[in-house]
Amino acid sequence: GESVGLHLPTLSVQEGDNSIINCAYSNSASDYFIWYKQESGKGPQFIIDIRSNMDKRQGQRVTVLLNKTVKHLSLQIAATQPGDSAVYFCAENYFYSGGGADGLTFGKGTHLIIQP
Amino acid sequence: SQTIHQWPATLVQPVGSPLSLECTVEGTSNPNLYWYRQAAGRGLQLLFYSVGIGQISSEVPQNLSASRPQDRQFILSSKKLLLSDSGFYLCAWRIGGPYEQYFGPGTRLTVT
Repeated sequence: GESVGLHLPTLSVQEGDNSIINCAYSNSASDYFIWYKQESGKGPQFIIDIRSNMDKRQGQRVTVLLNKTVKHLSLQIAATQPGDSAVYFCAENYFYSGGGADGLTFGKGTHLIIQP
Repeated sequence: SQTIHQWPATLVQPVGSPLSLECTVEGTSNPNLYWYRQAAGRGLQLLFYSVGIGQISSEVPQNLSASRPQDRQFILSSKKLLLSDSGFYLCAWRIGGPYEQYFGPGTRLTVT
């Protein structure tokens, strides 16, 4: 299944299909992006990251694509499994207004639901 | 390896009562530490971050405060809880670059 549009709050896919979760980021100066997975009642877990000097990075069953021209980030999950059910957040690096530190700003998340 | 602990896991408190949530990190030194709040079905809102002992910065003014009495200990507090303080509180740490943060298991706070 493929999400249409950006930042869908919920994406439902069939088990075994590929999933694509999209994210739009706001700051053209951001140079580092992360995808996190958050299962119900747990803290977010790092999945994969990508730097702005790359267009694509692959991990185990996951691929992140970065399109800097349109400030768009996507996470592709191959052969989706029931354990992939979770909320997925994208994050970009961010410089705090208070100074002295930098960190991450998070998107609102997409809930991935796996249908048997 | 590094681990991060938060307690309590769940907490139910009446409006107007005080709050103290604790976060500790093991296996690393001088980490950056962060407190986030997550309302039901929502994203993560950064509340506080700290780059060292006694150094606290706030991104969002609110009814909460934070302290870092030790290198690997980060505490979130309130003198009087509001209903709007309910949520899932997450602590995270980071050391060096890049920007990846590692999250604790979270504390579910319900203010009644």
